Amino acid sequence: DQQVKQNSPSLSVQEGRISILNCDYTNSMFDYFLWYKKYPAEGPTFLISISSIKDKNEDGRFTVFLNKSAKHLSLHIVPSQPGDSAVYFCAASRLQGAQKLVFGQGTRLTINP
Amino acid sequence: GAVVSQHPSWVICKSGTSVKIECRSLDFQATTMFWYRQFPKQSLMLMATSNEGSKATYEQGVEKDKFLINHASLTLSTLTVTSAHPEDSSFYICSGAELPKQFFGPGTRLTVL
Repeated sequence: DQQVKQNSPSLSVQEGRISILNCDYTNSMFDYFLWYKKYPAEGPTFLISISSIKDKNEDGRFTVFLNKSAKHLSLHIVPSQPGDSAVYFCAASRLQGAQKLVFGQGTRLTINP
Repeated sequence: GAVVSQHPSWVICKSGTSVKIECRSLDFQATTMFWYRQFPKQSLMLMATSNEGSKATYEQGVEKDKFLINHASLTLSTLTVTSAHPEDSSFYICSGAELPKQFFGPGTRLTVL
């Protein structure tokens, strides 16, 4: 049972344009969401997060949007840079209790010069 | 963000031996640490939740006698893979929790011959 899904295994974007990575979840109990960036053979790096009381959170070039009714979140990167090429994971958790993270399958983003 | 280290970064061992992996939170105190493993081209799978001063909580299907977790202090958790076999070869990643966020270590590549 995949509670967090990233349906696009890969995405290719031109440098300078906007990258949009999508994530869907099925468990309505999730109320905190995170995006991580990961390079091969390294641990994930925290990018940005959002709690369910908000529908948007922005940090520099990164913006996360949350649509609770659709159980959907997205990460926007603008402008995209070559260093953004990596695998991006979304993760979901519940603020109460053990706060375990449930990860999506990841999306490999490639920024083309 | 907070910094988490892991040691060793890679290890090769013979089948039947035990391997210990250390996870340290360097600039914060982590009451809770999490251990994950990642197979090639797959997402991170939570193995266990490690709480300082108490027994770890293992996810379904993870053998607690095979993957021994000790969280003796607020900055150190260890994972010992006992009697390792080739199928235990994987990328093991820990995270330290500054709830609700988690910050990940760089990972440990374990290869069992």
